[in-house]
Amino acid sequence: NAGVTQTPKFRVLKTGQSMTLLCAQDMNHEYMYWYRQDPGMGLRLIHYSVGEGTTAKGEVPDGYNVSRLKKQNFLLGLESAAPSQTSVYFCASSWPGAVTYEQYFGPGTRLTVT
Amino acid sequence: GENVEQHPSTLSVQEGDSAVIKCTYSDSASNYFPWYKQELGKRPQLIIDIRSNVGEKKDQRIAVTLNKTAKHFSLHITETQPEDSAVYFCAASTSNRGSNYKLTFGKGTLLTVNP
Repeated sequence: NAGVTQTPKFRVLKTGQSMTLLCAQDMNHEYMYWYRQDPGMGLRLIHYSVGEGTTAKGEVPDGYNVSRLKKQNFLLGLESAAPSQTSVYFCASSWPGAVTYEQYFGPGTRLTVT
Repeated sequence: GENVEQHPSTLSVQEGDSAVIKCTYSDSASNYFPWYKQELGKRPQLIIDIRSNVGEKKDQRIAVTLNKTAKHFSLHITETQPEDSAVYFCAASTSNRGSNYKLTFGKGTLLTVNP
């Protein structure tokens, strides 16, 4: 099993450009999350999904959109990139149950907006 | 919403010493408290977690304690080794379907273990 994978690993955008980050998981997890990680700020939740076809806002959703058309994929979109969106983006998935609430993270995408 | 404070932001210890990282949370309804370790350039990975019906949990050299009354929990690493060097994040969650199992993370502690 690959676990949680993210595409691409690195990307440089110019201000105003758009892009989509792809997260895929092969663990049949119901819940998926997108976080951004900035120095000294920890991990902050952007958007999340509790199942195929559902999405919801997290702590810092402005400037981002998401879609979950298939259970195994969770897409994060930036319609008009801004320098403030320079960050490392992590996707995570989980299947909360009686045994564990563990979130499994992908390897991250490093995005630079110039 | 939940707010998690984590201290210290950096911690340097000698190999073999113990390390303690502390977190406080604001929402008394929080009932799940995981700790994640993130090595440089890698993804965060769960190292230990505790639920609110337990006061302490241990796994080899790491342990977590929880004080629900004071709303704080701590990570203890004994006999530290250079490979323990990483950023450690605490988190809190009201783990039920109503909260969608969302985690609120602390800002992290950079632990450096000097040989």
